[in-house]
Amino acid sequence: AIQLTQSPSSLSASVGDRVTITCRASQGISSALAWYQQKPGKAPKLLIYDASSLESGVPSRFSGSGSGTDFTLTISSLQPEDFATYYCQQFNSYPLTFGQGTRLEIK
Amino acid sequence: EVQLVQSGAEVKKPGESLKISCKGSGYSFTSYWIGWVRQMPGKGLEWMGIIYPGDSDTRYSPSFQGQVTISADKSISTAYLQWSSLKASDTAMYYCVRESGSYDYWGQGTLVTVSS
Repeated sequence: AIQLTQSPSSLSASVGDRVTITCRASQGISSALAWYQQKPGKAPKLLIYDASSLESGVPSRFSGSGSGTDFTLTISSLQPEDFATYYCQQFNSYPLTFGQGTRLEIK
Repeated sequence: EVQLVQSGAEVKKPGESLKISCKGSGYSFTSYWIGWVRQMPGKGLEWMGIIYPGDSDTRYSPSFQGQVTISADKSISTAYLQWSSLKASDTAMYYCVRESGSYDYWGQGTLVTVSS
């Protein structure tokens, strides 16, 4: 199975900061990667698909990049509602797998 | 409007069986894969498996193969996740998801609690 390793596992930042989360795959997955945001008590929400495509309705401060084994999710200017946990997921091959998550906290 | 509506929370004893459901609406149910994702308390997301309701083609994560059964009834646009003998370690939130190259729609989750 393809392993996805996110870094950092947790992150403290302030409103207005630029934040980058990394997801590294144990083998190449082309651009078959998605990013999700999950808030406490809620189902995850799709942010980015195909590594860099912004899901409809998601603010443009979110962006994704990368291909092969290294991917990033960037939030250009943190807003209060962005404090949450973020997960990457690969769709290259079964079994589909998630990263372990990155918890983004308010500094 | 696309919706995935899951059945309600369950409290069960170890050894009991359980079948939870996920009803799709607002789209062609037989044209998209439906997956199941587990989230244990305070933990991350785990991919369990997926089914294509059009022909019932099913794939499982090795971690869940033999532990659960995924099925679907396309006549009522509903997918299922079932256990024949629950364990305390099955206590978790379970989400159904629609796959379209990513998981664009999620059910609200079904909380399963297994306790003696």
